[in-house]
Amino acid sequence: QVQLQESGPGLVKPSETLSLTCTVSGGSVSSGSYYWSWFRQPPGKRLEYIGYIYNSGTMYCNPPLKSRVTISVDTSKNQFSLKLSSVTAADTAVYYCARDYGGVTTWGQGTLVTVSS
Amino acid sequence: EIVLTQSPATLSLSPGERATLSCRASQSVSSYLAWYQQKPGQAPRILIYDTSNRATGIPARFSGSGSGTDFTLTISSLEPEDFAVYYCQQRAAWPLTFGPGTKVDIK
Repeated sequence: QVQLQESGPGLVKPSETLSLTCTVSGGSVSSGSYYWSWFRQPPGKRLEYIGYIYNSGTMYCNPPLKSRVTISVDTSKNQFSLKLSSVTAADTAVYYCARDYGGVTTWGQGTLVTVSS
Repeated sequence: EIVLTQSPATLSLSPGERATLSCRASQSVSSYLAWYQQKPGQAPRILIYDTSNRATGIPARFSGSGSGTDFTLTISSLEPEDFAVYYCQQRAAWPLTFGPGTKVDIK
């Protein structure tokens, strides 16, 4: 049973870069069959898709975020990561990492990131 | 992007009653529609994928139907643990998008 766990700072200053890591256990990020994804949920709002990395290299980002997002994978640590640059208060949210396969998404527990000075 | 709307926004019911939740897409998503349950402070939990397929471990009282642009999640008899927020999500086109949610609360 795959498990995912997000980690990273809970507080980021405006204009800085948000960096989160997702550690995967019970499965391999090297597997070419899965989309390793990031989502977020601002307080009281609906879920928003950020993007994915697939097959250790192919990346997709939601167009409104595309210029600020980088998703990468570290196969040696069985992790994948999210970087979101030039953050503002609007980026305050619970961030989730997830694995997608055939329509079934397995989620991490989520981590709250607050953007504030 | 494909916009999903859900109705009603809130559904007030008693344990044992039947819940019917709706999701409508701005364009056809074929059968690529999923339903999630989310409780406060928890990650979403997938219930149904591709319209009508129950995810592993999901009780039979949860069922999904529909196609194209109109979909329904039915909970046949509400259990106390079913009171939560339910989201629909489409995977027919990138980016994946979610509906605004339906809150099922205790009457």
